[in-house]
Amino acid sequence: AQRVTQPEKLLSVFKGAPVELKCNYSYSGSPELFWYVQYSRQRLQLLLRHISRESIKGFTADLNKGETSFHLKKPFAQEEDSAMYYCALSGLREKLTFGTGTRLTIIP
Amino acid sequence: DAMVIQNPRYQVTQFGKPVTLSCSQTLNHNVMYWYQQKSSQAPKLLFHYYDKDFNNEADTPDNFQSRRPNTSFCFLDIRSPGLGDAAMYLCATSRTAGYEQYFGPGTRLTVT
Repeated sequence: AQRVTQPEKLLSVFKGAPVELKCNYSYSGSPELFWYVQYSRQRLQLLLRHISRESIKGFTADLNKGETSFHLKKPFAQEEDSAMYYCALSGLREKLTFGTGTRLTIIP
Repeated sequence: DAMVIQNPRYQVTQFGKPVTLSCSQTLNHNVMYWYQQKSSQAPKLLFHYYDKDFNNEADTPDNFQSRRPNTSFCFLDIRSPGLGDAAMYLCATSRTAGYEQYFGPGTRLTVT
């Protein structure tokens, strides 16, 4: 079975402070991990995927297979980062399994 | 330009009255997915089409069916909606399995 856990439903961070959204996964094979984001009144969209090792909008995420984690980080939060963030795993038959999401609010 | 389009955006149906939600895409992607998302929950995959091949999730109720008449269109049919089927229904596409998924805006279904 594949499972994604996002322990924080809500996270509030002051503008300019570092952000870390936690994601842990359970999967017996080699997973592919993603972060999807949904801004207010917009559709769900891909933020980044571990395989590309990119920094998107200042966000990075490192896959830690030992800790089975894929935490999303940004050194300095901006107000436009307020959104719903979903960690997702693609494993068996490339089925995408989502975590329950973390609502990030940036306090001005 | 909208790449994954869902109609209608809001749908109200009566308990037990069949309803169809539609999804179309301009990306020419091979894979189309249907997800159900209830309030404060993660999107849950119902089924997907890889080209014409239908793949049902084991826990998707029989009440939910899907059709994909061509590459561009995919439909979600709920044969006898119950109150528990009220949710946001998301359509998504990907070029092939395992690639980035592109989501539509969703259809919010209300069952009265």
